Amino acid sequence: DGGITQSPKYLFRKEGQNVTLSCEQNLNHDAMYWYRQDPGQGLRLIYYSQIVNDFQKGDIAEGYSVSREKKESFPLTVTSAQKNPTAFYLCASSIGAGGRTGELFFGEGSRLTVL
Amino acid sequence: AQSVTQPDIHITVSEGASLELRCNYSYGATPYLFWYVQSPGQGLQLLLKYFSGDTLVQGIKGFEAEFKRSQSSFNLRKPSVHWSDAAEYFCAVAPDTGRRALTFGSGTRLQVQP
Repeated sequence: DGGITQSPKYLFRKEGQNVTLSCEQNLNHDAMYWYRQDPGQGLRLIYYSQIVNDFQKGDIAEGYSVSREKKESFPLTVTSAQKNPTAFYLCASSIGAGGRTGELFFGEGSRLTVL
Repeated sequence: AQSVTQPDIHITVSEGASLELRCNYSYGATPYLFWYVQSPGQGLQLLLKYFSGDTLVQGIKGFEAEFKRSQSSFNLRKPSVHWSDAAEYFCAVAPDTGRRALTFGSGTRLQVQP
């Protein structure tokens, strides 16, 4: 079945450590996204990529980095520069970016806790 | 820039009662609008979407939404709520130019009383 796979589902990190969250899709979608979810704040866009080897910052990109070397993969690295990284992270993809093709398909999420 | 407002943070309804969740958007052109549902600890699932045409759109699980341009609203409705509808609901808007990613509202958490 086609879908989006995020791993790990739960991750614990010590302060000062970088961690990488994996996101893989087999939907053959061109666009991929990372959102951060905090209670009462909805989903906030971290980064998005419309095509391989290209990505754009979202609203809260500071302290995060991404790469898009393959169409099916869009890993997110949470660096030690991110001041408050404890959150639920959601990866999504769409056929295209924006407009009619902007309907998102989501993974199950990764919960990161900084100890 | 586009924005989405969901005025109700938390709503409680009795099972079998009707439901309306509010969504207001701010966007200059005709927006592309979506409603998503999220169960605890899960990803989001699309309920319905509006691109153009008939302003009343039907979705999955018996939900519908009505686009009202004059009120800049896209409210979600269900005639009779089931206990399994308890979840968080998000309204979102997709532009056709500029930033090419959905903007989400802050969500409405629905609680269903027996």
